[in-house]
Amino acid sequence: GAVVSQHPSRVICKSGTSVKIECRSLDFQATTMFWYRQFPKQSLMLMATSNEGSKATYEQGVEKDKFLINHASLTLSTLTVTSAHPEDSSFYICSAKVSRGHPSNQPQHFGDGTRLSIL
Amino acid sequence: GQQLNQSPQSMFIQEGEDVSMNCTSSSIFNTWLWYKQDPGEGPVLLIALYKAGELTSNGRLTAQFGITRKDSFLNISASIPSDVGIYFCAGQSGGSEKLVFGKGMKLTVNP
Repeated sequence: GAVVSQHPSRVICKSGTSVKIECRSLDFQATTMFWYRQFPKQSLMLMATSNEGSKATYEQGVEKDKFLINHASLTLSTLTVTSAHPEDSSFYICSAKVSRGHPSNQPQHFGDGTRLSIL
Repeated sequence: GQQLNQSPQSMFIQEGEDVSMNCTSSSIFNTWLWYKQDPGEGPVLLIALYKAGELTSNGRLTAQFGITRKDSFLNISASIPSDVGIYFCAGQSGGSEKLVFGKGMKLTVNP
């Protein structure tokens, strides 16, 4: 149980392109999903918290107009990297919590990540 | 952002050996989590701890939630080659759904 699917697993595109990454909770409902960014040999850095039916909460230093987050259903959140540039190249990982009807201290379960490479 | 102090940063061990790693924090956490990440994949939850002093096992893995609520350790017994990867600790404080991550411990197991 608690499977999180992330798609695509890898994207290579030209500078200036907008890229959408999907995060789905397959066997549970998640009112809260999280988006992380991970640079090589480093830990996960939280970018934003995605709340179903409301605006995402962004961490300090993360541009909300650059990284658009939509959480339109209890099983899907999307991250769109707008007008991507080479410095946006990174490993993006989403996570989701089993939240509705469960204790608030449920752990986060992670997707397999998306490797984004901007040429 | 805030990070946990995770040590050691890396370990090279022989197959069959035990390995121990820990995380410490200057602040109190209500939840401690241990994840394993393989190259090019997302972290996979190994053990979740919710109560100070709690000792929990998952197969060859054992983790404890420190009594002060500021630390946790993870032990792996009788290591095998597939234990290779990066192990992260993560803490969650009361009132927040955010996780604070350690910097990770890279484990290499020589067959």
